[in-house]
Amino acid sequence: AQSVTQPDIHITVSEGASLELRCNYSYGATPYLFWYVQSPGQGLQLLLKYFSGDTLVQGIKGFEAEFKRSQSSFNLRKPSVHWSDAAEYFCAVGMNTGFQKLVFGTGTRLLVSP
Amino acid sequence: DADVTQTPRNRITKTGKRIMLECSQTKGHDRMYWYRQDPGLGLRLIYYSFDVKDINKGEISDGYSVSRQAQAKFSLSLESAIPNQTALYFCATSDGLGANVLTFGAGSRLTVL
Repeated sequence: AQSVTQPDIHITVSEGASLELRCNYSYGATPYLFWYVQSPGQGLQLLLKYFSGDTLVQGIKGFEAEFKRSQSSFNLRKPSVHWSDAAEYFCAVGMNTGFQKLVFGTGTRLLVSP
Repeated sequence: DADVTQTPRNRITKTGKRIMLECSQTKGHDRMYWYRQDPGLGLRLIYYSFDVKDINKGEISDGYSVSRQAQAKFSLSLESAIPNQTALYFCATSDGLGANVLTFGAGSRLTVL
């Protein structure tokens, strides 16, 4: 069965600094990979996804993520964080066959300091 | 209007009460899901439905039931609520194509006293 690990529960970044959120997955084949963001009081919004092709994917709000098969990772990056990026971020992995069930990581809460 | 609407957004109830959370969607998607979010545990799948006649249990279905009244409506029921069902509940939809991207509602926060 697939699984996802987000090792950082909380991360604090200064506004304007770069950001990297870590995500490692376990799955026997090439998975579908997703990053979702949850702002306070809101549902989850898709930031970006990977399921084939270029391993560096661009998403909304200036985010990008890189799929590294050798490291089983799909880390999320942003070169310059804005105060409005403060939210909780979830990595998810889906199977590329059958039901395509999504398994979510436990989330990383991003705090942005002035 | 939101693509996926959940009602109520917040609910406080007492142990033993029956609770229904409702979800409706305007995406035209066949697939609908109910997830539960707990701090430190991420999102866990309760039930999912591929169409009106297809209902499936997820990883944590005990204590819950669902009804797919129409393509656009999927309700989650707690027949006899207990305090450890206090959580944030999300409804989601997808078209089942490609990467099967989920579209989420805004969530229903349930507190069981």
